[in-house]
Amino acid sequence: GAGVSQSPSNKVTEKGKDVELRCDPISGHTALYWYRQRLGQGLEFLIYFQGNSAPDKSGLPSDRFSAERTGESVSTLTIQRTQQEDSAVYLCASSLGRGGIEQFFGPGTRLTVL
Amino acid sequence: AQSVTQPDIHITVSEGASLELRCNYSYGATPYLFWYVQSPGQGLQLLLKYFSGDTLVQGIKGFEAEFKRSQSSFNLRKPSVHWSDAAEYFCAVGLIQGAQKLVFGQGTRLTINP
Repeated sequence: GAGVSQSPSNKVTEKGKDVELRCDPISGHTALYWYRQRLGQGLEFLIYFQGNSAPDKSGLPSDRFSAERTGESVSTLTIQRTQQEDSAVYLCASSLGRGGIEQFFGPGTRLTVL
Repeated sequence: AQSVTQPDIHITVSEGASLELRCNYSYGATPYLFWYVQSPGQGLQLLLKYFSGDTLVQGIKGFEAEFKRSQSSFNLRKPSVHWSDAAEYFCAVGLIQGAQKLVFGQGTRLTINP
């Protein structure tokens, strides 16, 4: 595809429910990143994939957060038992991988937990 | 820990005036440096980047930035702003070794007066 795509663009859920957010990286990009952007804040790193392994999960805020990646393609970020503080925009980015420093961002998924 | 500081949360300038957005970073070596722009409802778009070499880098939309090692700064400039430049601007640091994540500043919101 032309760019990084994410779905859904908006998600409203009730506290305690599980949600899945999807990211389709640019074709050929082996590295994939998830970030979180709370209202009025900068981006916080969550997790980085190289291929389908995750060498850096240091930004995941709790064990309610998990992510997986199928091959060098789609990634899913799962938040279990959502809390109101999980409300944010979740952004995905991809890059060419090792040595590919420039990251290309998707439009994000706006998550609202009621 | 690496950090990025954007001292100005909100800046207002008149259309046609010059602009400078400040960015300071804390890192043990020279990192990769980026400026991204985020317009309302849009994803992040890369304006420019610095990896090495000439410390004055040119970007898209008439923006430029200057890397000053002695001041650990990477300020963004534009000689004459246009109303369409109103957006949120983020400075980011890419780490050369280890994790490939970007560390972002909190952002500067730019408002343009007609």
